[in-house]
Amino acid sequence: GAVVSQHPSRVICKSGTSVKIECRSLDFQATTMFWYRQFPKQSLMLMATSNEGSKATYEQGVEKDKFLINHASLTLSTLTVTSAHPEDSSFYICSAAEPYNEQFFGPGTRLTVL
Amino acid sequence: GENVEQHPSTLSVQEGDSAVIKCTYSDSASNYFPWYKQELGKRPQLIIDIRSNVGEKKDQRIAVTLNKTAKHFSLHITETQPEDSAVYFCAATLDTGNQFYFGTGTSLTVIP
Repeated sequence: GAVVSQHPSRVICKSGTSVKIECRSLDFQATTMFWYRQFPKQSLMLMATSNEGSKATYEQGVEKDKFLINHASLTLSTLTVTSAHPEDSSFYICSAAEPYNEQFFGPGTRLTVL
Repeated sequence: GENVEQHPSTLSVQEGDSAVIKCTYSDSASNYFPWYKQELGKRPQLIIDIRSNVGEKKDQRIAVTLNKTAKHFSLHITETQPEDSAVYFCAATLDTGNQFYFGTGTSLTVIP
C-alpha cells in the first residue's frame, strides 16, 4: 500500500513553545490529509481536514489558532501546535488519501510538553 | 457530524475462540465502514472494510457484517490467535477519501 510518513516521531518541548509536525505522502499525491489526536487508551479524534491549497476545516471544539495546519503541496501537510501546554501532550496521527481510495495513516508523532 | 459507538471496550477470549465487536453509527449517509487494528504506539492498520451496498464480507478468519437499516456493523474474528491481541477501531465515513469518525475502540486480549 501507499506510504505516509510523519516527522518527528517523538518530540519533547517546554511549555509555551511551538512544535511543527510534518506529514508526507511518499508515493502518491494526496489532495486531502487528515489530522487526528489520540490520548492514551482512547480513540482517534479527528481534529481537522487539510485540503491542498486551501484552508483547513476544523472539527468542532478544535482551536484553529492553536493547531495551525498548512497543506502547501500535494505531498505535504504540517500541523503546528502553538504555545504548547502539558494538556497538548498526545499522539498525533495524520492520514492521506486520494479521492475514493483507501486512506493511509502515518506512524504518528508522540508529543510531550513539559 | 457522525457519531460512532463501539462495544465492548475490552474483550478477553481464549485462543481458538471467536471474538465479536459491534459498532453503531448515526449518519444514514455514511456508506463506507473500515475496521482498523492498532498495536501500542503504532499506526492503525486496515484489516477489513465494507461498503453499504454489501451485507457481509469475509477475509480468511475475519468477517464484517453490516445492517444498514439498523445502522450497525460488526467485526467477527474466528479461531483467534495471541497475535490478534490489539486495539480494534471501527469507523464510518461518506467514502474512503473523506474524514473518518472512529469508534471508541476495543482492547482485545487473546489468552493462550
